[in-house]
Amino acid sequence: DAKTTQPTSMDCAEGRAANLPCNHSTISGNEYVYWYRQIHSQGPQYIIHGLKNNETNEMASLIITEDRKSSTLILPHATLRDTAVYYCIVRVKPGNTPLVFGKGTRLSVIA
Amino acid sequence: EAGVAQSPRYKIIEKRQSVAFWCNPISGHATLYWYQQILGQGPKLLIQFQNNGVVDDSQLPKDRFSAERLKGVDSTLKIQPAKLEDSAVYLCASSPSGSGNGYTFGSGTRLTVV
Repeated sequence: DAKTTQPTSMDCAEGRAANLPCNHSTISGNEYVYWYRQIHSQGPQYIIHGLKNNETNEMASLIITEDRKSSTLILPHATLRDTAVYYCIVRVKPGNTPLVFGKGTRLSVIA
Repeated sequence: EAGVAQSPRYKIIEKRQSVAFWCNPISGHATLYWYQQILGQGPKLLIQFQNNGVVDDSQLPKDRFSAERLKGVDSTLKIQPAKLEDSAVYLCASSPSGSGNGYTFGSGTRLTVV
């Protein structure tokens, strides 16, 4: 079973920041937070991951609370192409532990 | 680099027929996964291979589903006989062995059983 809780859906105006929350209150010390997204008719796409420090890459920023029980994925300037289902997943980083997906958050970016 | 290739892209079959899906992972990726995604749900792991050996097939319905990964490269997933509830998108993903980074997914095969 997925170890995360996410809102079912969210809307965001084009050009604004999209902030997607995730609750993972039972996360273990050796588990990382991963974010994927799935655009319609495509396979999931890796976005970012982190352990306890905030992370940023060309796609997004990941903010993890100090107690690591929740996190927020930030898309700084959402575009229509960011409309997708976003999945927050906790996973032990080393090795080949498979990703366990929940239902994710359906983000709709509105013009 | 080339992505994960899957075929066919779409398939429609009648119940009780058989069907096979093919996946070609990224070159050099030792780990290969098959996921089933039913409409409105997140992907669910069916089977995981490490090279040509099965690591986890605990959620594979073995009475009708089978999968193989000959020579540790390409993989096929077969359903025989298909049921209506098998209608879903079947996703293949691969990753380097022991990688802590993300998987790469293919675009999937959409199966409709009528």
